Amino acid sequence: KAGVTQTPRYLIKTRGQQVTLSCSPISGHRSVSWYQQTPGQGLQFLFEYFSETQRNKGNFPGRFSGRQFSNSRSEMNVSTLELGDSALYLCASSRSRGAEQYFGPGTRLTVT
Amino acid sequence: DAKTTQPNSMESNEEEPVHLPCNHSTISGTDYIHWYRQLPSQGPEYVIHGLTSNVNNRMASLAIAEDRKSSTLILHRATLRDAAVYYCILRRDNAGNMLTFGGGTRLMVKP
Repeated sequence: KAGVTQTPRYLIKTRGQQVTLSCSPISGHRSVSWYQQTPGQGLQFLFEYFSETQRNKGNFPGRFSGRQFSNSRSEMNVSTLELGDSALYLCASSRSRGAEQYFGPGTRLTVT
Repeated sequence: DAKTTQPNSMESNEEEPVHLPCNHSTISGTDYIHWYRQLPSQGPEYVIHGLTSNVNNRMASLAIAEDRKSSTLILHRATLRDAAVYYCILRRDNAGNMLTFGGGTRLMVKP
């Protein structure tokens, strides 16, 4: 069974641009969550999607948004990028809400 | 939200058991105790979770104190591959998949 895949794996953007990151969950998994990991703040929850609906949202500004498609694939978007958005963005999927989560390898975003 | 307290780092010898402690004195009755670990340059990996009773799986055992104010993750025979940051996380039953990660414990395994 293929694991969680995230594309792209690495990305370099400049301040003010926007970026879209993609996550394909494990087949059969309906829940997708996103996390940001930085050396200073550690792992922080961004949002959770289940059945195409956002179920939970972390404490991030409105520049961070996401969506989930009918095939459970998910995208997250960050608009008006800031230097502080440089981070590893991790996606996790699970069969159902509350079940163990399987993380992807992450997308390393660098904002210059 | 209830918080967890873990030692910043621990050392273990290869092939010996490792007991990773976690304190969660403000845990509520609906909080599940989850453990994840993150190996270098990888995303976190699920290890185990429980509510009240001790739990075992192929990776580890989870021992939960009777008052649930603390728990211990037990790796029965540490290998070099077990060197990672181990996170103890409380997940409220109605919080879905939202996990609040703390600083975790960095486990170093010596050959």
